[in-house]
Amino acid sequence: KQEVTQIPAALSVPEGENLVLNCSFTDSAIYNLQWFRQDPGKGLTSLLLIQSSQREQTSGRLNASLDKSSGRSTLYIAASQPGDSATYLCAVNAGKSTFGDGTTLTVKP
Amino acid sequence: KAGVTQTPRYLIKTRGQQVTLSCSPISGHRSVSWYQQTPGQGLQFLFEYFSETQRNKGNFPGRFSGRQFSNSRSEMNVSTLELGDSALYLCASSLGPSNAEAFFGQGTRLTVV
Repeated sequence: KQEVTQIPAALSVPEGENLVLNCSFTDSAIYNLQWFRQDPGKGLTSLLLIQSSQREQTSGRLNASLDKSSGRSTLYIAASQPGDSATYLCAVNAGKSTFGDGTTLTVKP
Repeated sequence: KAGVTQTPRYLIKTRGQQVTLSCSPISGHRSVSWYQQTPGQGLQFLFEYFSETQRNKGNFPGRFSGRQFSNSRSEMNVSTLELGDSALYLCASSLGPSNAEAFFGQGTRLTVV
């Protein structure tokens, strides 16, 4: 059974800092890994999708990496802004998606 | 291009009743997945439909069921509601199953009293 762990559970940083969110998974037989952000009471917004054959994906200030052999992915956020405050979730897709519990990020002005 | 539309946004039901939630995927998407999100259990996979066929099913009791129509719209039904069914129900659509990017709707907040 796939298990997905996200560390840390919560993170608070001052505006402008670069930060890294971690996602680990137990079964490397996956199709892809997707990072989402969720604002309170809202749905999920897709940030980045990494296919199993890829090593990283970039979008603006976001960079996600995938190391399938070690079962790890990281989401790097550069020059954080208060608007980045949200819960970040990673989802590992092996036919059906398994989500981590998320990292709640607070960026202080 | 319209996103994933879930209706209704909010629902209050009484224990023992049944409820039907609706999800309209992005135009051209043929795969729809349903998830339940609660503070205690996080996001849990319910089921996935592709071309009107259920492809995968999560570990939920038979009270939870779904279907997909020929226009790819999907409905989820929960019968004999329990207090523990109170949750945010999220629907995701993608072009196809397996390796396609998933896009989520805003969810339906179900409260069972």
